[in-house]
Amino acid sequence: QVQLQESGPGLVKPSQTLSLTCVVSGGSISSGNYYWNWIRQPAGKGLEWIGRVHTTGSTYYNPSLKSPVTISLDTSKNQFSLSLSSVTATDTAVYYCARCGGAFYFDSWGQGTLLNVSS
Amino acid sequence: DIVMTQSPDSLAVSLGERATINCKSSQSILYSFSNKNYLAWYQQKPGQPPKLLIYWASTRESGVPDRFSGSGSGTDFTLTISGLQAEDVAVYYCQQYYTSPQTFGQGTTVEIK
Repeated sequence: QVQLQESGPGLVKPSQTLSLTCVVSGGSISSGNYYWNWIRQPAGKGLEWIGRVHTTGSTYYNPSLKSPVTISLDTSKNQFSLSLSSVTATDTAVYYCARCGGAFYFDSWGQGTLLNVSS
Repeated sequence: DIVMTQSPDSLAVSLGERATINCKSSQSILYSFSNKNYLAWYQQKPGQPPKLLIYWASTRESGVPDRFSGSGSGTDFTLTISGLQAEDVAVYYCQQYYTSPQTFGQGTTVEIK
């Protein structure tokens, strides 16, 4: 049973770069036909898919996002990361990492990490 | 992007009664080649991440009680909870994975009447 756990700074100032990490246990992020995703949820609101990285390292991002996004794998640590630059208050949300297979529904989720963008 | 619209936004159902949630996509999410609908349902309880309930519109995830069922095709889908239990109080989301970006409905809150 794969498990995912997010970590992050909790608080970031506007215009800075946000960096979050998702550690995966119970399976290798570099094997199988899996995609590793980031999804966010502002308080009291719905879910927004941010992007994904495949086990091969290829990526796809949501073109609707205003801030530049980078998702990358670190196979040596069995983790993947999200970098979101030039953040604004609208990026304040709980950020989840999640796994999907070749069909893009999300079968495993982390517990989420709250990110607050404030000066 | 495909827009997913759920109805109602909230509903209150008596224990043991049926709860029905609807989800409509702005375009068909039925892939005719495979005859599969690219739709999933999730349950989210307060302070928890979403949990996958159903995929391919009607296939229950392992371990999900059989009182949860999904139906529909094309653009119109339904999640039914037959015999609501207290632990089913949650927000429910539909999600399409027919095209990227994957998109979610706005959520439906289910409460006990």
